[in-house]
Amino acid sequence: DAKTTQPNSMESNEEEPVHLPCNHSTISGTDYIHWYRQLPSQGPEYVIHGLTSNVNNRMASLAIAEDRKSSTLILHRATLRDAAVYYCILRRGINAGNMLTFGGGTRLMVKP
Amino acid sequence: DTEVTQTPKHLVMGMTNKKSLKCEQHMGHRAMYWYKQKAKKPPELMFVYSYEKLSINESVPSRFSPECPNSSLLNLHLHALQPEDSALYLCASSQDPLLAGAGVAKNIQYFGAGTRLSVL
Repeated sequence: DAKTTQPNSMESNEEEPVHLPCNHSTISGTDYIHWYRQLPSQGPEYVIHGLTSNVNNRMASLAIAEDRKSSTLILHRATLRDAAVYYCILRRGINAGNMLTFGGGTRLMVKP
Repeated sequence: DTEVTQTPKHLVMGMTNKKSLKCEQHMGHRAMYWYKQKAKKPPELMFVYSYEKLSINESVPSRFSPECPNSSLLNLHLHALQPEDSALYLCASSQDPLLAGAGVAKNIQYFGAGTRLSVL
């Protein structure tokens, strides 16, 4: 399976935008890029996904590089509740069994 | 309702005990999953059930025995565990494991809060 590389940790100030990078240089044409986050003492929760085009939803935006070898999760205004571990995951598009293979993730700390 | 409920929240057991973890969802999902998460590590997939049948076993030791009695319920039976099995056990579900094409991209997994297991 294609792997992802993320920084171990990042810090942000409250109410400022946060850009969380992810490298996936071995991505294949059928791999979807998914982001999940895990708040303290909770299970992971879905944030956003994309294939080629940039995506927006109520939680975040996903910017995908033209060559698809990297992507960036954008939180437009970080709040204290956004402090979590953010996982960038590649999901196979065909006959994948819907398996999620989590990488190391980025621990986001938000300062008031 | 997008809730996956796991019980108990905490469990302490000895190496000779037999216990079970329970997971329940009422979203009509037909795929259910068990993950294991050690402290400060990402979740690791253990088992996948698709339409109540075991479809993936990630080489998990036999002291872990999954069971899916119906489409809403998933159990994990534990027997003769080792201290290194202490971890957070997460259950997840997703809509339809046989979705193809663009539907696969939308096959979001919903996770429970987990059972924190300590083996003494």
